[in-house]
Amino acid sequence: DIQMTQSPSSLSASVGDRVIITCRASQGLSNSLAWYQQKSGKAPKLLLYGAVSLESGVPSRFSGSGSGTDYTLTISSLRPEDFATYYCQQYYITPYTFGQGTKLEIK
Amino acid sequence: EVQLVQSGAEVKKPGESLKISCQGSGYSFTDYWIGWVRQMPGKGLEWVGIIHPDDSKTRYSPSLQGQVTISVDKSISTAYLQWSSLKASDTAMYYCASRGMGGSYLDWGQGTLVTVSS
Repeated sequence: DIQMTQSPSSLSASVGDRVIITCRASQGLSNSLAWYQQKSGKAPKLLLYGAVSLESGVPSRFSGSGSGTDYTLTISSLRPEDFATYYCQQYYITPYTFGQGTKLEIK
Repeated sequence: EVQLVQSGAEVKKPGESLKISCQGSGYSFTDYWIGWVRQMPGKGLEWVGIIHPDDSKTRYSPSLQGQVTISVDKSISTAYLQWSSLKASDTAMYYCASRGMGGSYLDWGQGTLVTVSS
């Protein structure tokens, strides 16, 4: 199985801050990586797929980058509604696997 | 409007069987793999497995293979996740999801909470 390691596991930040979340895979993914946002009590929401492609309707302050085994999610200027938990997911090969999550909290 | 609608919450005893469902609408159900994702209380997302509605081809997480069965009835656009003998450790929210690019998940069901307790 491909192991996905996200960092940090939690993060405190302020509105307006730039935030970067990292996901490292145990083998190369050929950009078969998605990012999700999950708010408490809700289903996850797809933000990006293919490592860099923004899902329709997702604000442009969210962006993704990376290649091979290392990928990042960047939120350029945090808004109050962005405080949530973020997960990466590899879909390069089954079993698809998720990172352990990054909880983004208000400082 | 694309929707994945899951069956309601369940409370079961250890050793009981259970089958939960996920009905798709608003899109071509047989064109996309349907996945199941588990979220244990206070924990992260865990991929359970997938099924292709057209030919019922399945893939499972090795840690859950043999513990759960994924099936589909394409005539009613519904996928299922079932257990033959529940354990307390099966207590979790279970989501179905589908329709993303590659193996990502654009559309999600509302989740089915399964509670297993004696």
